[in-house]
Amino acid sequence: QQQVKQSPQSLIVQKGGISIINCAYENTAFDYFPWYQQFPGKGPALLIAIRPDVSEKKEGRFTISFNKSAKQFSLHIMDSQPGDSATYFCAASKAAGNKLTFGGGTRVLVKP
Amino acid sequence: NAGVMQNPRHLVRRRGQEARLRCSPMKGHSHVYWYRQLPEEGLKFMVYLQKENIIDESGMPKERFSAEFPKEGPSILRIQQVVRGDSAAYFCASSGQGAGTEAFFGQGTRLTVV
Repeated sequence: QQQVKQSPQSLIVQKGGISIINCAYENTAFDYFPWYQQFPGKGPALLIAIRPDVSEKKEGRFTISFNKSAKQFSLHIMDSQPGDSATYFCAASKAAGNKLTFGGGTRVLVKP
Repeated sequence: NAGVMQNPRHLVRRRGQEARLRCSPMKGHSHVYWYRQLPEEGLKFMVYLQKENIIDESGMPKERFSAEFPKEGPSILRIQQVVRGDSAAYFCASSGQGAGTEAFFGQGTRLTVV
């Protein structure tokens, strides 16, 4: 199975709050899990990525948590800012630089 | 160091016409991927190419769609006899040689079929 399921579809959070987006995958051959941020009219931009040999990775206000046994991973955006308002996609592949299977996306709106 | 360049950014075609989408990968990158994004949906893999070779076309529709990445010049995604259902954003990504290199996306071409 190649599917990656993402939830929620949309999210509204107050400035300073925490945004949490969840993804689940089926293919145990996946070995690389990136998150992309996309603004309207733009291409996806790599935000942060994780491999299954670690359970958590943090870069600034963005943290990925990974649960290999449950085949789930999540993105946490701490201290959310209005500039974080965008659509976020999780993805999975068999290696970095390989073809990506994307989740359906989460539209995040941060209210000032 | 320019990123992945796609052109045109916007393309309008009438039903039955041909659409040609171009992608120049980042300097030093030899792997190109094409993805399609329908409105309000995630990106779907279409095809993976290296110079002069199609590596994986498992996401390409069987008819009307083709892709190439010649030795010289950009990668081309060609859609023949376009239909309204082809209206979407088409994104190209490129990566370098070897495992473990990140893929970077272009700004996309938004195709509208009228």
